[in-house]
Amino acid sequence: QQPVQSPQAVILREGEDAVINCSSSKALYSVHWYRQKHGEAPVFLMILLKGGEQKGHEKISASFNEKKQQSSLYLTASQLSYSGTYFCGTSYNTDKLIFGTGTRLQVFP
Amino acid sequence: EAQVTQNPRYLITVTGKKLTVTCSQNMNHEYMSWYRQDPGLGLRQIYYSMNVEVTDKGDVPEGYKVSRKEKRNFPLILESPSPNQTSLYFCASSFGGHTEAFFGQGTRLTVV
Repeated sequence: QQPVQSPQAVILREGEDAVINCSSSKALYSVHWYRQKHGEAPVFLMILLKGGEQKGHEKISASFNEKKQQSSLYLTASQLSYSGTYFCGTSYNTDKLIFGTGTRLQVFP
Repeated sequence: EAQVTQNPRYLITVTGKKLTVTCSQNMNHEYMSWYRQDPGLGLRQIYYSMNVEVTDKGDVPEGYKVSRKEKRNFPLILESPSPNQTSLYFCASSFGGHTEAFFGQGTRLTVV
């Protein structure tokens, strides 16, 4: 039931864009995105509920394709502060939140 | 300040010696959960609780126990720790399993 994230790792230069994907084999109720910096706790970025919505703040946005049970996280004009591991979390109802294995993003000057 | 507090932050123990990791939240959240994080495996849910006296197994519950006697506290108990339970543990709380989760700072446990 663990969602599948791709790619496993991304290396970028400042200013470049990246897309991280999250897919599930089961019908999703919601998709969460979190970022974890090294040695710290995961921090919430956004939630998308079923309905195919798109959300975003600043240069980070996400979409949720309910038909394909997929979500994508878009990072545009990346900054050094974007470095970290990104996790998607999926819920199939209101009970459990299951996380993917993470995508490690490194941004270099 | 809204927060989830875990203790201890670091713990080294020996095989078989019972231990408890505490977790407390001050946001009046109904939902609390425990995750373990291992390289390459992401965050895997151990147990979760939807409210006081209501707990359920996550994906990797073997070797762990939890209790939820009060809304704010959700301790993780390892009755007989083994080396394969060496990991980084996170407690999280939220209003529901599908809402924004707030994580504690983590507990790095080593079992020798």
